[in-house]
Amino acid sequence: DGGITQSPKYLFRKEGQNVTLSCEQNLNHDAMYWYRQDPGQGLRLIYYSQIVNDFQKGDIAEGYSVSREKKESFPLTVTSAQKNPTAFYLCASSNRGGRETQYFGPGTRLLVL
Amino acid sequence: GENVEQHPSTLSVQEGDSAVIKCTYSDSASNYFPWYKQELGKRPQLIIDIRSNVGEKKDQRIAVTLNKTAKHFSLHITETQPEDSAVYFCAASPNAGGTSYGKLTFGQGTILTVHP
Repeated sequence: DGGITQSPKYLFRKEGQNVTLSCEQNLNHDAMYWYRQDPGQGLRLIYYSQIVNDFQKGDIAEGYSVSREKKESFPLTVTSAQKNPTAFYLCASSNRGGRETQYFGPGTRLLVL
Repeated sequence: GENVEQHPSTLSVQEGDSAVIKCTYSDSASNYFPWYKQELGKRPQLIIDIRSNVGEKKDQRIAVTLNKTAKHFSLHITETQPEDSAVYFCAASPNAGGTSYGKLTFGQGTILTVHP
């Protein structure tokens, strides 16, 4: 999982602002995922992508958007429509279209000013 | 969709004791069950996983058992050590085709504390 990087480590968002979280992997994995982690609620799936130029909504996609223009990159935008964005955001990737183990990046902690 | 319930939410043991964490799932199509360990402020890391074609898997002090009929699976840690203290998550994934493939549903997590 050392081949998955996320930036920044901490991110501050102002009211009405869109912010983008970066996720890059050099593992040549097909599938990439975004999760949100809140205390006591485990990990919840926001969006996932099994191949380039294709992605699917997860369980809590409202207020978020993604793109998958390159195999190694899967950025997540937290839009102003997401009213409670404070959370720990984790990106993951896996091989073989998602049939294999998911490995996680180090995470980005998003805070609202 | 899939629903995964995990118990207990907190577990406190003495060093050297065993710890057991249990999960139940709802989707009979699920056939991949990983367990992740997450230390405070860190990323989740896979510690063991099991597929539905086996009932038990061991890796040193860690084992996972699966009962497909009852739709539950458990993590067993023997001879616990203080460094085992962390949050443990179970997850389940269906082996269906199309867009469901690889989608993990996580349990709520168990905070394990091992006292020296």
